[in-house]
Formats: sequence, structure tokens, C-alpha cells
Amino acid sequence: NAGVTQTPKFRVLKTGQSMTLLCAQDMNHEYMYWYRQDPGMGLRLIHYSVGEGTTAKGEVPDGYNVSRLKKQNFLLGLESAAPSQTSVYFCASSNAQLTSSYEQYFGPGTRLTVT
Amino acid sequence: KNQVEQSPQSLIILEGKNCTLQCNYTVSPFSNLRWYKQDTGRGPVSLTIMTFSENTKSNGRYTATLDADTKQSSLHITASQLSDSASYICVVSAMDSSYKLIFGSGTRLLVRP
Repeated sequence: NAGVTQTPKFRVLKTGQSMTLLCAQDMNHEYMYWYRQDPGMGLRLIHYSVGEGTTAKGEVPDGYNVSRLKKQNFLLGLESAAPSQTSVYFCASSNAQLTSSYEQYFGPGTRLTVT
Repeated sequence: KNQVEQSPQSLIILEGKNCTLQCNYTVSPFSNLRWYKQDTGRGPVSLTIMTFSENTKSNGRYTATLDADTKQSSLHITASQLSDSASYICVVSAMDSSYKLIFGSGTRLLVRP
């Protein structure tokens, strides 16, 4: 049981390039989330999904797109990377809504630098 | 505005000593409060989750308290170990948002031998 995994672990992009971050979970969770973590700030929600085939915008969705074609995978795409997207990206999953007391499990993160 | 504020920003203690981290929140309506531990270069890991009716919750040497009236929580670490060096993040869930958590910016703890 690997939990939540993310690929790649590190990536350097040039401004304007595109890339996709992959998140996979093997806990059969319905809900998945993408966050970004910047120095001195709390994690911020980019997009989330409440089930296979569904996605929704979080707090900071601009410049990102997501897809959830399979229940176990949640992809985060950057179509045209900008230096402001330099951050550490975390994927998370949960088996229920966050207003319940169910755990939310995080992946190990992807450190992205845009030059 | 829903906010979570943590203090201190950073803390250095000697191995074996106790410490207490603070969290104040203005989130309403309140659903639950979580404490996470985040090791450097890793994702956050849940320590405790407390609902409105819970005042105290323990997880080994970690004890979280919640005062829903004053909207304050604390995380007490007993007999600290070098492996406790990490960031500790307070997170609050609001009842009117099923998918959003409000994260504090964390307290960075360094335990020295």
C-alpha cells in the first residue's frame, strides 16, 4: 500500500513550457486535491475532485488545469508555465468530505522551478 | 475572513524538553481542527483531528487541545526527540465548505541534542 504518490519529484521548466504532474492513490479514495505550498504561506487549494470524471476549482486555479479520468489518478497541468508557479505542489486524497473527521493523506510533493 | 494563525513562527528546544505550539482561528462555522507534522521535503502527516465537542486528543507524545469558545488550539509535545524537528501545521475545516481546508503557515520546530 503506497498511499499517495507523485511524479516527478523535481522539475525545472522555462517560462512558457508545459508539463503535467501525476498523482496516484491506491486507497480507493473518492476525493483528491492539488495544493501548492509557498514559503511563509499555508497550503492553498488549486483544484479538487469529488470522484472519477469530476473536477472543480479551488482557491488559486488560474494557470492550471486538471483531469480525473481514472479514480486513482489526478493530473495537474500547466499549459504555459510562469515564474509565479514556482512552488512545491502536493496532492492529497480522502475518503470523505473534509467536514467529516476522516483523514486526508498527502503525497511527498513535487518541487517545480520555472525560470 | 477565515484565517488560521500560528505562533511562534519558529522554536528551538533541547532534546527531552516539552513545548507548546499555539493556533488561533477565525473560521466559522467551525467543523474540525487538524494538526499536521511536515518533515523537511515531505508531505504533511496527520497527528490529530478534533471536532467541536472534543477538548483534548493525544497521539503518543503529542497532545492537542481545543477551546472552541475562544477559538484556540494548542499542540503540546512531551519529552521531545530529534525526530520531532519539523513544521507543525494547524488546519481548520469550515462546515460550509466540504472540500476546503484553511491552513496556518506553520511553526518550525528544531530540537537540538
